[in-house]
Amino acid sequence: NAGVTQTPKFQVLKTGQSMTLQCAQDMNHNSMYWYRQDPGMGLRLIYYSASEGTTDKGEVPNGYNVSRLNKREFSLRLESAAPSQTSVYFCASGRRGPPTNEQFFGPGTRLTVL
Amino acid sequence: GENVEQHPSTLSVQEGDSAVIKCTYSDSASNYFPWYKQELGKGPQLIIDIRSNVGEKKDQRIAVTLNKTAKHFSLHITETQPEDSAVYFCAECNSGGGADGLTFGKGTHLIIQP
Repeated sequence: NAGVTQTPKFQVLKTGQSMTLQCAQDMNHNSMYWYRQDPGMGLRLIYYSASEGTTDKGEVPNGYNVSRLNKREFSLRLESAAPSQTSVYFCASGRRGPPTNEQFFGPGTRLTVL
Repeated sequence: GENVEQHPSTLSVQEGDSAVIKCTYSDSASNYFPWYKQELGKGPQLIIDIRSNVGEKKDQRIAVTLNKTAKHFSLHITETQPEDSAVYFCAECNSGGGADGLTFGKGTHLIIQP
């Protein structure tokens, strides 16, 4: 099993450009998540999808949109990139429900917005 | 989860000694507490977790303790080895609540001195 995979690994954008980060999981998990990680910070939740067909905002959703394409895939889109979105983006999938919220992370996408 | 404080931000210990990282949280409804290890350039890896109905859990050299009354939990690594060097993150959530995702601490950079 590949676990959680993300593409691309690195990306450089100019301010105002758009792009989509791709994520896929092969663990048959219902829940998927997008986090961002900034220097000296923990991970912060951008959006999540508790199940296929549903998406919800997390702590820092502004400037992003998501699509849960099917049970395996969950994409994150930046419509008009800004320098403040320079970050490392992690996708995760997991099993949710009392008493656990076990999540498994992908290798990350390093995004620089100039 | 709402807020997680993690200490220390950097911890340097001699190889073979023990390391302890502490976290406090504010949401009394939190019931799931995982710990993640992140190596340079990689995604976070779940190393151990604890549910709120348990006070302590151990897995070989790693243990986690939880004090729900005081709202704090700790990671203990014994007989540290060079490969333990990494950034460690605590996290928490209310796995039965309406909101999803994990709330992370800001991380502890653990350095194992040879």
